[in-house]
Amino acid sequence: GENVEQHPSTLSVQEGDSAVIKCTYSDSASNYFPWYKQELGKGPQLIIDIRSNVGEKKDQRIAVTLNKTAKHFSLHITETQPEDSAVYFCAASMGGGGNKLTFGTGTQLKVEL
Amino acid sequence: NAGVTQTPKFQVLKTGQSMTLQCAQDMNHNSMYWYRQDPGMGLRLIYYSASEGTTDKGEVPNGYNVSRLNKREFSLRLESAAPSQTSVYFCASSGRTSGGLSTDTQYFGPGTRLTVL
Repeated sequence: GENVEQHPSTLSVQEGDSAVIKCTYSDSASNYFPWYKQELGKGPQLIIDIRSNVGEKKDQRIAVTLNKTAKHFSLHITETQPEDSAVYFCAASMGGGGNKLTFGTGTQLKVEL
Repeated sequence: NAGVTQTPKFQVLKTGQSMTLQCAQDMNHNSMYWYRQDPGMGLRLIYYSASEGTTDKGEVPNGYNVSRLNKREFSLRLESAAPSQTSVYFCASSGRTSGGLSTDTQYFGPGTRLTVL
């Protein structure tokens, strides 16, 4: 089955700096790669996703890049703010109905003032 | 719209007791999922239901059963709880919305924190 590895497990940045979280996946058939943000005591919330036919996608301060050949994808957050502090999860799947996501182990991001 | 709702929010069980976790969604989604979240291990899929009337095992199904009661509701049952089932349980759903958004996006509920003593 699919295996997703995520690094780093913790990340501390100064407000205004950029943060990068990296994930690798094992199954070349995977074609859907979402990123979730989880705040304390809440369920994960989708922040951005990318499909295998796209190399990069941006949404304001958030961007995701995908390298299909190397089987890795990354989340980039620019101009970080204190409210970006949370746990971020990457995931991979083959998409479609009954979409079985395989999650990474999460990155605790702390944005310090 | 409430999205995905889960009950109860918290539960403490003794080893061997049984209980059912309830999940409902009001987004008219076809697919529903149950995950468990343990420290340092991310979220792992227990069972899923691609559509009403079907259920399939995920990565960690042992010790659990599910029922897709109707399109809105998907329950998770622990027949004989064990301490290893202490976890936070999340229900999620996905499906094409009336606005045409992707079938792949999964929307998560707030979770149920279960402790088995």
